[in-house]
Amino acid sequence: DADVTQTPRNRITKTGKRIMLECSQTKGHDRMYWYRQDPGLGLRLIYYSFDVKDINKGEISDGYSVSRQAQAKFSLSLESAIPNQTALYFCATSDLEVATGGGYNEQFFGPGTRLTVL
Amino acid sequence: GQSLEQPSEVTAVEGAIVQINCTYQTSGFYGLSWYQQHDGGAPTFLSYNALDGLEETGRFSSFLSRSDSYGYLLLQELQMKDSASYFCAVGGDKIIFGKGTRLHILP
Repeated sequence: DADVTQTPRNRITKTGKRIMLECSQTKGHDRMYWYRQDPGLGLRLIYYSFDVKDINKGEISDGYSVSRQAQAKFSLSLESAIPNQTALYFCATSDLEVATGGGYNEQFFGPGTRLTVL
Repeated sequence: GQSLEQPSEVTAVEGAIVQINCTYQTSGFYGLSWYQQHDGGAPTFLSYNALDGLEETGRFSSFLSRSDSYGYLLLQELQMKDSASYFCAVGGDKIIFGKGTRLHILP
């Protein structure tokens, strides 16, 4: 099945460590996104990318960086993790052709990565 | 900027009807969408309204009034499996989500 996958699914790390979360998709979508979810705060956009050469900051990009290695791969890095980055992280994709053709930019989410920074 | 307001929690009885409201402020409106998220799961798309009026998909309906910057999600014939969080969202190239409404269903 065409899918959005995230690795790892769970990660516990220590303050100051560098962490990379990976996202892969087989949906053939051009657009990829990283969101963070905290209880009571909904989903907040960290970074998004419309193609391999296009990276954009979202609402809360400080402390994060991303890399779009290929159309199908979009990774999120925490250069020096801190405890308030403990959260559930979701990768999502959407179809550029559908969105720009007047359709809706429906987000297809991966299963999420639960990150704990001690 | 963009912001959305929705109630944090709603409680209803199995078999009943419940309405989850959402008001929004946005520059450049591209439509209002709704997502469902069960505990431990990922958000999944439910519906989208670009124009005023009611859109129906089975037991779920979504309404939009662009003049009032307001919409709602209506769930009918509630089932226990509808217990979840529901998010409204706006945006074009990038989507901004509300903080979510936790729906509790009583038997």
